[in-house]
Amino acid sequence: AQSVSQHNHHVILSEAASLELGCNYSYGGTVNLFWYVQYPGQHLQLLLKYFSGDPLVKGIKGFEAEFIKSKFSFNLRKPSVQWSDTAEYFCAVRGYSGGYNKLIFGAGTRLAVHP
Amino acid sequence: DAGVTQSPTHLIKTRGQQVTLRCSPKSGHDTVSWYQQALGQGPQFIFQYYEEEERQRGNFPDRFSGHQFPNYSSELNVNALLLGDSALYLCASSTLTSGRVNEQFFGPGTRLTVL
Repeated sequence: AQSVSQHNHHVILSEAASLELGCNYSYGGTVNLFWYVQYPGQHLQLLLKYFSGDPLVKGIKGFEAEFIKSKFSFNLRKPSVQWSDTAEYFCAVRGYSGGYNKLIFGAGTRLAVHP
Repeated sequence: DAGVTQSPTHLIKTRGQQVTLRCSPKSGHDTVSWYQQALGQGPQFIFQYYEEEERQRGNFPDRFSGHQFPNYSSELNVNALLLGDSALYLCASSTLTSGRVNEQFFGPGTRLTVL
């Protein structure tokens, strides 16, 4: 069965600090990988996605993620966080398991950025 | 262009009751997926509808059922409510290409509280 593990449930950073949120998934076949963000009071939004090709993908608002197949990881990074990055971040995987159509989410990481 | 809309925003029910949640997909989308997000957890896939049929289902009991209408809107029904059904219910819409779901857009969710 597919599963997604996010290493940190809560992260607290000061503005301008660098961010790395860990994500590991369990699935042996071809996967699509996603990071979603949920800002306070807002909908889940797609930050970035990996389907194939260059394992370093860039998303919105200066975020990027690197797919490392050998480690089953898809970590999210940002060189310098801002107060407005305060949100909950979810890693998700989509792989063939009776259908290539459902997303499996991690438990989320709540990021608080202090000015 | 309206995004995914859900109604109602909040709902309070008592154990044993039945509830119906509604979702209107983003314009141009024909596929609707439902997710349950319990407090402190990531969204969990309930089921997906396409062409008015349930195409895929997660690990949820038969108390959870759904429907999709010809205009692609969808309903989620939960019977015999349990305290553990208290959660944020998310609807996501998308299109299908060659049987695979494209990017999913999420609605704001319906917060269900079961007392």
